[in-house]
Amino acid sequence: NAGVTQTPKFRVLKTGQSMTLLCAQDMNHEYMYWYRQDPGMGLRLIHYSVGEGTTAKGEVPDGYNVSRLKKQNFLLGLESAAPSQTSVYFCASSTPKGGRAGEQFFGPGTRLTVL
Amino acid sequence: QQQVKQSPQSLIVQKGGISIINCAYENTAFDYFPWYQQFPGKGPALLIAIRPDVSEKKEGRFTISFNKSAKQFSLHIMDSQPGDSATYFCAASMGGAQKLVFGQGTRLTINP
Repeated sequence: NAGVTQTPKFRVLKTGQSMTLLCAQDMNHEYMYWYRQDPGMGLRLIHYSVGEGTTAKGEVPDGYNVSRLKKQNFLLGLESAAPSQTSVYFCASSTPKGGRAGEQFFGPGTRLTVL
Repeated sequence: QQQVKQSPQSLIVQKGGISIINCAYENTAFDYFPWYQQFPGKGPALLIAIRPDVSEKKEGRFTISFNKSAKQFSLHIMDSQPGDSATYFCAASMGGAQKLVFGQGTRLTINP
């Protein structure tokens, strides 16, 4: 099992450019999440999904969009990147069922720099 | 609004000592309190977690102490080892979508 994988690992964008971050999980988890991590601020939830075809806003959703067309994939889009979106982005997944219910499994992260 | 506050921001402990990290929360609806460990360049990984129906949970050298009335919980690392050097995050969530609210993180350094 690969667990949670993220693509790409690193990316540099210019202000105004767009990009999509891909998250994939092979654990058949129902729930998926996108967080951003900034120094001194912990991880903050951007958007999340509780099932295929459903998404919802988290704590810091402005400037981002998401889609979950397949259960195993969760995409995070930046339509017009801004320097304030320079961060490390983490995807996570979890299941509400079984002995590990509620435990979020994180991917390795994507380091994004917006110039 | 910071619903989970973590302290200290950084901590240096000698090998063999006890590391203690504290967190306080505001929302009494939270019902799951995990601690995550993160090494440089990696994603966070669950270390230990507790639910509010117990006051303490121990797994090996790691213990969570939970004080529901004070709305506080802490992580104790006994016999701290250099391999424990990492950033630790407390978090809290409540039912439904299990969204986590994280503390600001503590960078722990264990000196050999």
